[in-house]
Parts: sequence; structure tokens; C-alpha cells
Amino acid sequence: RKEVEQDPGPFNVPEGATVAFNCTYSNSASQSFFWYRQDCRKEPKLLMSVYSSGNEDGRFTAQLNRASQYISLLIRDSKLSDSATYLCVVNNRAAGNKLTFGGGTRVLVKP
Amino acid sequence: DTAVSQTPKYLVTQMGNDKSIKCEQNLGHDTMYWYKQDSKKFLKIMFSYNNKELIINETVPNRFSPKSPDKAHLNLHINSLELGDSAVYFCASSQDPLSNQPQHFGDGTRLSIL
Repeated sequence: RKEVEQDPGPFNVPEGATVAFNCTYSNSASQSFFWYRQDCRKEPKLLMSVYSSGNEDGRFTAQLNRASQYISLLIRDSKLSDSATYLCVVNNRAAGNKLTFGGGTRVLVKP
Repeated sequence: DTAVSQTPKYLVTQMGNDKSIKCEQNLGHDTMYWYKQDSKKFLKIMFSYNNKELIINETVPNRFSPKSPDKAHLNLHINSLELGDSAVYFCASSQDPLSNQPQHFGDGTRLSIL
């Protein structure tokens, strides 16, 4: 089983719609969680950290479920510019701040 | 004012050659990393240095040798390049290895082995 698993998609989303997807992680000792965004042929960029109580940043909402070991990302009112691959990232600080990346979920927002 | 810069951006070379990729960060971070992203798009950590000391060394062939002359630089030298080394290599940095701070990535170096 992979340490961090994501549905690769693609999720085809009409502009203005809401899309949500999850990521599961296998290491219960994982301490920090992030969503990164990677555009085609570009570097990953931090989208948002994921906090235990859940957090929101504009149209983006992240949730953490430690009991079931998954995190989620919800995008409201999707824009064309939201088209990208969203990488779930889990950090085990005891392993030297080693980030483990999921394979990414591709989102395509269409007019 | 690029935060994490790596050179070259593209590297096309023949099997068996030796090549280096350079990385510099001007964020004042203590920790730097090298990642490999293969054709299936999985990003995997290769090495991490904290203040010039190696702290993460994943299962990587010893043809790959990182060098950190100071905490702002982490270079990657690859000997005897093989076809399977073709990938995008990303350098990254973070404040320190035990913080909750995310990592900042360079633009990537696209390595193609002929």
C-alpha cells in the first residue's frame, strides 16, 4: 500500500461547480498535512496547510480526519485557472521533515 | 528575486556521461532537498541537508552524490547517467527540518538521457 494515495482523476468540472476529493495516508504518526498545486511542467506550490479543525482559504476548504487517516480538499465556484494537479502531502517530522507526496489528483475545469 | 533557483532548466545528454545540477536558495532556510519526479509524476525525495549536513538519504544509487558547500546551496552530481535517470529533478528548501513550515520548490531541471 502506498504511503499517500489519491484518485488520479481527471475530475472534469464545469466552471462554477464544486469539486471535492480525498487523499488517504497510511502512517498514523504523520503530523503535518498540506495540499500543493502543480501546473503542467511547473514546480509544486503550496496551496494550503491542513489543520486538525479544518480550514478555509477563499474558495478552498481542507479537512483532516485522523481517525480514518484521510484529508480532503473542496473547491467551490471552480475557475478555469483551478485546472491543475493537486498533490496531497504528508509530513512525518520524526523522519527529518520528510514530505511524502501523493500521485496527485488532476482537475480540469471546463467552460 | 527568485527564491529557489536551479540550473540548468533543461539537460539533454548521452548515457554514460557525468552531469551536475546546481541549486541555490535566498530564503535564509537551513534545510534543502532534492526530489525526483518521474514520468508517472510521483515526486520522491532523494536527499536532504540541514546546515550542510546530510539528514535524509533515501535509497538512491550511489551514482548520485549531493554536495552542500553552504546552507544556501545544494548541488547534485550524477555519474554514469542511465536511461532511467530521465526525469524532472526539483530542488526545495524549508526553514528547518523539524518545523511545520512547507517547502519551497525550484522550477525543476528536466533531464533527458539519449
